[in-house]
Amino acid sequence: RKEVEQDPGPFNVPEGATVAFNCTYSNSASQSFFWYRQDCRKEPKLLMSVYSSGNEDGRFTAQLNRASQYISLLIRDSKLSDSATYLCVVGGYQKVTFGIGTKLQVIP
Amino acid sequence: ETGVTQSPTHLIKTRGQQVTLRCSSQSGHNTVSWYQQALGQGPQFIFQYYREEENGRGNFPPRFSGLQFPNYSSELNVNALELDDSALYLCASSFRLAGGREETQYFGPGTRLLVL
Repeated sequence: RKEVEQDPGPFNVPEGATVAFNCTYSNSASQSFFWYRQDCRKEPKLLMSVYSSGNEDGRFTAQLNRASQYISLLIRDSKLSDSATYLCVVGGYQKVTFGIGTKLQVIP
Repeated sequence: ETGVTQSPTHLIKTRGQQVTLRCSSQSGHNTVSWYQQALGQGPQFIFQYYREEENGRGNFPPRFSGLQFPNYSSELNVNALELDDSALYLCASSFRLAGGREETQYFGPGTRLLVL
C-alpha cells in the first residue's frame, strides 16, 4: 500500500461546479498535513495546511479525519484558474511524503 | 515568490557523469529538503538537512548525497548518473524548532535534469 494515495484523475468539471478530492495515508503517526497546488512545469505551491478542526480559505475547505486516515479538499464555485494538479502532502518524523497528485481541469 | 532559489534551471548530462545542484533557502529557514519529481509523478523525498546534518532520507541510493552549509543553503550531488535520474529536482526550505515539528515547506522553482 502506498504511504499517500490519491486518485490521479483527471477531474473535468464545468466552471462554477463544486469538486472534492480525497487522499488517504497509511502512517497513523503522521503529524502534519497539507494541500499543495502545482501548475504545469512549475514548482508546488502551498494551498493550505490541514487541521483536525478543518479550515477554510475562501472557496477552499480542507478537512482531516485522523480516525479514517484521510484528508480532503473541497473547491466551491470552480474557476478556470483552478485548473492544476493538487498534491496531498503528509509529514511525519524526518520525512514528508507527497501523493501522486490529482489533476483538475475546469472547463468553460 | 518564496525566496527559495535553485541553480541551474536546466542541465543536460550524460550517463555516468556527476552533477551538483544548488539551493538557497528562504531567509530565517534552517531546514532544506530535496525531492525528485519524474514526469507525471508526485515529488519523491530524497533527504532533508537540518542544521548541516542529514535529518531523514527517502529510498534513494548512496550515489545521491547532499550538504548543507552554515548559511543553510544546500547542495544535492548525484554520482554515476543514470537515464532514470532525468527529472525535476526540487528543493524546499522550512523552519524547524529544535526537537519540534517542521513548519510549512516552501519550494524553489526546481532544476530540470536530462540525462542522455
